[in-house]
Formats: sequence, C-alpha cells, structure tokens
Amino acid sequence: QVTLRESGPALVKPTQTLTLTCTLSGFSLNTRGMCVSWVRQSPGKALQWLARLDWDGDKYYTTSLRGRISVSGDPSTSQVVLTLTNVDPADTATYFCARIPPDYYGSESYDFWGQGTLVTVSS
Amino acid sequence: DIHLTQSPISLSASVGDRVTITCRASQGVGNWLAWYQQKPGEAPRLLIHAISTLHTGVSSRFSGSGSGTDFVLTISNLQPEDFGTYYCQQANSFPRTFGQGTKVDFK
Repeated sequence: QVTLRESGPALVKPTQTLTLTCTLSGFSLNTRGMCVSWVRQSPGKALQWLARLDWDGDKYYTTSLRGRISVSGDPSTSQVVLTLTNVDPADTATYFCARIPPDYYGSESYDFWGQGTLVTVSS
Repeated sequence: DIHLTQSPISLSASVGDRVTITCRASQGVGNWLAWYQQKPGEAPRLLIHAISTLHTGVSSRFSGSGSGTDFVLTISNLQPEDFGTYYCQQANSFPRTFGQGTKVDFK
C-alpha cells in the first residue's frame, strides 16, 4: 500500500528555517524513474509546485524560492526532506509531498499524495 | 516560467450537465499537461495525464483534449461527487506550474 506522510512544525517564526519530512511507505525512491515532489497551497489559493527529488539524486526547484529552498533524501531511505530558509508569512501554506511513479516520469503526474501539513509562519 | 490560465474561474452546473474547463499555456507544453481534482481539506487527485490519458480508476466521464497551448477538460454527465476545484499542470519544462484553478459547484 503506497502512502506518503508529511510531518513538521505547525508554527514557525519569521526568518526561521522550516524543515518538513515526507515519509514514504509501500515504495522506494531507489526505484529507477521514481520521483517525489513537493507542492504547497496557501489558504484559499492555487497549488504551487516547489521542488522534485529523483531516484538518481537529481533535484529541481521553483524559481520563485531559489536560494531559500532545498530538497534532500537518500534514495535508499524512506524519507524526503524539504528545507525552506528565512521563512516569511507568505510561506504560510499546506505543504504536500506527492509521488511520480516510473510510468509517469515523463508527464510528472502525481498518482499518490500525502494528506498535507499546514504550516503557519507568524511571530 | 510557463503560465497556465484556466477559464472559467468558477462555474455552477446541474447534475447531468456537460462541463468544459479550458487551460491555456503561455507557451507550448508538448504532451505534458495533466488535470487534477481537489476537494476542500483534501489532497489533489490525478484525473488525466499526458493531455488525454485517464488515470487508473478515474471515471470515463472525464476526458481531456487539446494540443500546443490550448487544452480542455470535459466532464460528461456531471455527478454530485464531481464538485471541487480543478487544476491543470504542465510538465514540459521546469519549474512545473499549475493553473489558478476552476471551482465547480452545483446550482
């Protein structure tokens, strides 16, 4: 059974670093063609793609957060970590991780998602 | 970045209606256009990928079409469970981008 579960702090102060973990179950990022992406959604707003980590260690990022965002995770482990530095109230959002299976690698379509974790940035 | 513009932003329809949502890209996205449905408080759900390929388990009432920069999601015979917000997403180039969403509710 494929599942993804996001975890991390619910409240972060401005200028702090946000670290979120996506725990994978039922599949391995060590499988050729497997990828995990992060997507966020500010309250009442649209989805925003943030980053992707591939089975071979390649990483891709949104341009709007470049310099503040990073993704990591040993493909042999079951966790993918998103780090966002110098957070601002505009970073308040529900953060989702989602899986791209090998069959959907070219289309980057997410067949399984975590339930999301709400992060509020406030002093 | 490729900008995706969806229309309409919202629509009200009745059970049994045929609904169309369009997604226009600021530049060509090849075959890499997907559609998702999201209900309040839930994660998005994949409906269609590669413009017109129905994801496993998705009702055949959903269909996708288009090419180049113009794409359409069609919901035939609208059912009560189809309410929610629909997003298109492109995967032709990085960064990936989503449309602003189309909210579907019932008259």
